[in-house]
Amino acid sequence: QVQLVQSGAEVKKPGASVKVSCKVSGYTVIELSMHWVRQAPGKGLEWMGGFDTEDDETIYAPKFQGRVTMTEDTTTDTAYMELSSLRSEDTAVYYCATGTPAFDYWGQGTLVTVSS
Amino acid sequence: DIVMTQSPDSLAVSLGERATINCKSSQSVLYSSTNKNYLAWYQQKPGQPPKLLIYWASTRESGVPDRFSGSGSGTDFTLTISSLQAEDVAVYYCQQYYSTITFGQGTRLEI
Repeated sequence: QVQLVQSGAEVKKPGASVKVSCKVSGYTVIELSMHWVRQAPGKGLEWMGGFDTEDDETIYAPKFQGRVTMTEDTTTDTAYMELSSLRSEDTAVYYCATGTPAFDYWGQGTLVTVSS
Repeated sequence: DIVMTQSPDSLAVSLGERATINCKSSQSVLYSSTNKNYLAWYQQKPGQPPKLLIYWASTRESGVPDRFSGSGSGTDFTLTISSLQAEDVAVYYCQQYYSTITFGQGTRLEI
């Protein structure tokens, strides 16, 4: 059984960066295809990017290309999502998610608030 | 990107009645070589992450009650709850994984 436990809430100023972690248990992080999905307050789900098993690489949604970096630490079985140049519109709950073919495992979510 | 459009945006159904949510994709999500539709449905309750209900358009996830069913092919899909229970009040999302992942805008289901 996969468990995903995310880091705690963050408050950032506009222009800063945030790095959210997702600790994997039950499997190793390299056995999973990890993705990140965000949800602005009162809004829908927005896929940010994730590992594409067919191309064996991480792909990002065009909207976030150049501003997001997704990495993994195999020594601690932790996935990370770093988003830079934050603006108020990035205020959202950020989720890590995994599964094949769809996302049957989700982290609990991390609220990132961007405010001056 | 494939655009997913759900209808309606919100829906009120009486307990025990049938609820139907539609999802239309801007292009087909049926992969010819596998004959599978790359379409999933999720349920999200307030303060919780989404929960996978259906994948391959009609395969129920383990543990999901059989009152939930998915149908459709190509560009038009439906999630049906055959007999609405109080615990089914939630927002429902469709998702395609045929190409870079996109979600529908969500349908709010109320009693």
